[in-house]
Amino acid sequence: DIQMTQSPSSLSAFVGDRVTITCRASQSISTYLNWYQQKPGKVPKLLIYTTSNLQSGVPSRFSGSGSGTDFTLTISSLQPEDYASYYCQQSYSSPWTFGQGTKVEIE
Amino acid sequence: EVQLLESGGGLVQPGEPLRLSCTASGFRFSSFGMSWVRQAPGKGLEWVSGISGSGETTYYGDSVKGWFTISRDNSKNTLYLQTNILRAEDTAVYYCAKAGSTRDWYFDLWGRGTLVTVSS
Repeated sequence: DIQMTQSPSSLSAFVGDRVTITCRASQSISTYLNWYQQKPGKVPKLLIYTTSNLQSGVPSRFSGSGSGTDFTLTISSLQPEDYASYYCQQSYSSPWTFGQGTKVEIE
Repeated sequence: EVQLLESGGGLVQPGEPLRLSCTASGFRFSSFGMSWVRQAPGKGLEWVSGISGSGETTYYGDSVKGWFTISRDNSKNTLYLQTNILRAEDTAVYYCAKAGSTRDWYFDLWGRGTLVTVSS
């Protein structure tokens, strides 16, 4: 099975900061990497699919990059509504594993 | 409206079975793979199981392989998860999720989830 490891597990940043979350796969997954946002008590929401494709309706301050084993999610200017947990997920091979999550808190 | 609606959760005793259902609307159900993803209280997301649009191919996570069975009835636009011999560690909110592409397994539509609590 492919293991997905996110870092950091949590972070705190100011509104307006640039925030980067890293996801590493235990083996190459090409660009089959997806990102989700989950706000407290809410359903997960797809942000980015296949490494860098922004899901419809997602603000352009979110972006993704990477290939192979190393990937990043970047929030270019953190907003108060971005307080949430973020999860990466590989769709290269079953089982379609998720990372453990990164909790983003607003300073 | 495009949506997924889960049902069938509740309080069950250890060792008892349970069947979860997910009814889809607003899209061509048979064209897309579907999955179950669960989240234990205070924990992260865990992919549980998936099934192709036709229902011919199924996939399982290691923690449920041999214990859970996924199926679908495309005539009813419904996805199922049959859970056998539930254990305390199966306590979680169970989400059904739609694959975003016919060729990829990212999830672009999620239901609200149904809570399964395994306790005596």
